[in-house]
This record gives sequence, C-alpha cells and structure tokens, in this order.
Amino acid sequence: DVKVTQSSRYLVKRTGEKVFLECVQDMDHENMFWYRQDPGLGLRLIYFSYDVKMKEKGDIPEGYSVSREKKERFSLILESASTNQTSMYLCASSLVGTGISGANVLTFGAGSRLTVL
Amino acid sequence: DAKTTQPNSMESNEEEPVHLPCNHSTISGTDYIHWYRQLPSQGPEYVIHGLTSNVNNRMASLAIAEDRKSSTLILHRATLRDAAVYYCILRDGLNYGQNFVFGPGTRLSVLP
Repeated sequence: DVKVTQSSRYLVKRTGEKVFLECVQDMDHENMFWYRQDPGLGLRLIYFSYDVKMKEKGDIPEGYSVSREKKERFSLILESASTNQTSMYLCASSLVGTGISGANVLTFGAGSRLTVL
Repeated sequence: DAKTTQPNSMESNEEEPVHLPCNHSTISGTDYIHWYRQLPSQGPEYVIHGLTSNVNNRMASLAIAEDRKSSTLILHRATLRDAAVYYCILRDGLNYGQNFVFGPGTRLSVLP
C-alpha cells in the first residue's frame, strides 16, 4: 500500500560528491515536493513541481536542483554535497484538482536521512 | 501565505481526549485548514482537513470556529501511538501550484 517511495532511507556521502535522491509516487499526482527537515527549523520547501518538466523554487533552493521527466518521478540532486546539507529529506505529492485544490491532501514518503562527511 | 500559530508542546494522559489548538487569524475565504502529524522517524501523515464545517474521520475531529480564525484538532481517546508532532496548515483552494507551508507544530506527549 506504499504510495510515495523514496529510494534510500539512509545515505552517507562525502563532501563534493554528487547525490541523487529519488522519489516515485503511484497515485497519478500532478504536484510533487521536496522538503528538508532539521531540528528546530521544521520542514522547509526546497523545490516543487506541478507538472512534468516544470519546477518552482521553494524557500531554500540554493545548492539543489531537481528533475521531473516523468509524472511519477521527482528527483532531488545535490551537485556538490556539503556538510550543511546533512538532513532528513522528505518527498511528497498531491493532486492539483480543479478549483478545490486546497482540499487535496499531501502524501509523504518515509524520508531519506542524508549524512555528508 | 496566511500563517498559523500553535503551542510548542502539549501533554495528555492515555485514553483521555486531547484538544490541539491552532490560530489562523489571517485566514482567507478560500483557505482550507489541514492537519498532519509526524510520528518519530517517519514522514508526516495526513490527519484531517476542513473549510468551514466541523469534520470527523476515523482518526480525529476538526472543530472550526465560526469566524474561521481558529480551529481545534480533537483526538477523542489518546493512545501512546498518538505521540507525535501535529501540524496545522492553511492551503488556498484556488491556487493550484501552492506550497504547503509547515510551521514548527505542536509536540504531543501521551503519558501512560
């Protein structure tokens, strides 16, 4: 019954490495989101996408990029990982809806805990 | 984006009702009120949402003030499994691409 799947639960990378975090949803949702969660800072939006090949910057896009080539898949890319990108990364998706998109709920994956050494 | 204000933490005894408040005094007419919760070591999960009327589902009830400037999530009988961080969020019903903005939430502790 898993609906949003994040490829890795735990990752350990070295400073300067390129990191890919993959997210797949099977609910045919238009919207997909990447958040990071840090103690005391809550969930902060990195990027979101409301359609294939479309992306919008969130609150903290610096140091990240995203790719959405297919509707069900949204990838977060750290071009050159740094220690301050050590965090829990959460992927989520939602429907867009037609005029009542506020009623469309967000479904999260289990999260990917990234440690950059 | 309209903001919400929640207490940082609350405590409850097991099997007693819990009322988690949320203030959203700048809510607009098209904003839906959503509640999510995050159990330890998991991603947030949907609990309930509403627009104007009170709502019930198998997990909880949502009581919305008549002026919509506040709401209360009600857990009718708290269990140890309900210990989590609860987030109250506003989401515009007319904005297709809008982000969900999460505040710090309320950390609920349930005592046996």
